[in-house]
Amino acid sequence: GDSVTQMEGPVTLSEEAFLTINCTYTATGYPSLFWYVQYPGEGLQLLLKATKADDKGSNKGFEATYRKETTSFHLEKGSVQVSDSAVYFCALSSTGFQKLVFGTGTRLLVSP
Amino acid sequence: DVKVTQSSRYLVKRTGEKVFLECVQDMDHENMFWYRQDPGLGLRLIYFSYDVKMKEKGDIPEGYSVSREKKERFSLILESASTNQTSMYLCASTTGGSGAYGYTFGSGTRLTVV
Repeated sequence: GDSVTQMEGPVTLSEEAFLTINCTYTATGYPSLFWYVQYPGEGLQLLLKATKADDKGSNKGFEATYRKETTSFHLEKGSVQVSDSAVYFCALSSTGFQKLVFGTGTRLLVSP
Repeated sequence: DVKVTQSSRYLVKRTGEKVFLECVQDMDHENMFWYRQDPGLGLRLIYFSYDVKMKEKGDIPEGYSVSREKKERFSLILESASTNQTSMYLCASTTGGSGAYGYTFGSGTRLTVV
């Protein structure tokens, strides 16, 4: 079945450091790919998405590119802030289906 | 602002109780979902619904049931709560058609069964 694998956390960075959170997937067909963010005590919020190969999703300084050849969707940000501290989830939705399959989440901790 | 609202942020229930978790969305979405979130396990799908009165089992439906009598409301029922159902429960909804739209989530209900 479809699956998503994320790097284990926590990822600990200093403010203004470069962020990469790795995400790879296994899916049949051509899935849509998503990154969600969960701030402490809250539900998940959609951060960005990409619906086909080579698409780049971006939002709030975060970016991720849909790489079909490597089945990856790595999340990047050039300069993180303390307010980016949260748990980040990679997810996919297979063609024609509404269900999302989530990775296990990666906690990001940013210190001043 | 469009919303998915879960009725309780925190609940404490006793073992054996019947527990109802309520979720309401105001976006006229066809599809609604219940997940549970546990450390190290991520989000696991319990049940989902594509339409009123329709329901489908997810990956971990045992010990749970659902009800969708109206389009905007999707209830999760723990028939006889057990301590291993202590978890964060997240409701989500999305519009029909392509899976490319992503979900809108509620804020979650943290359930503790004692």
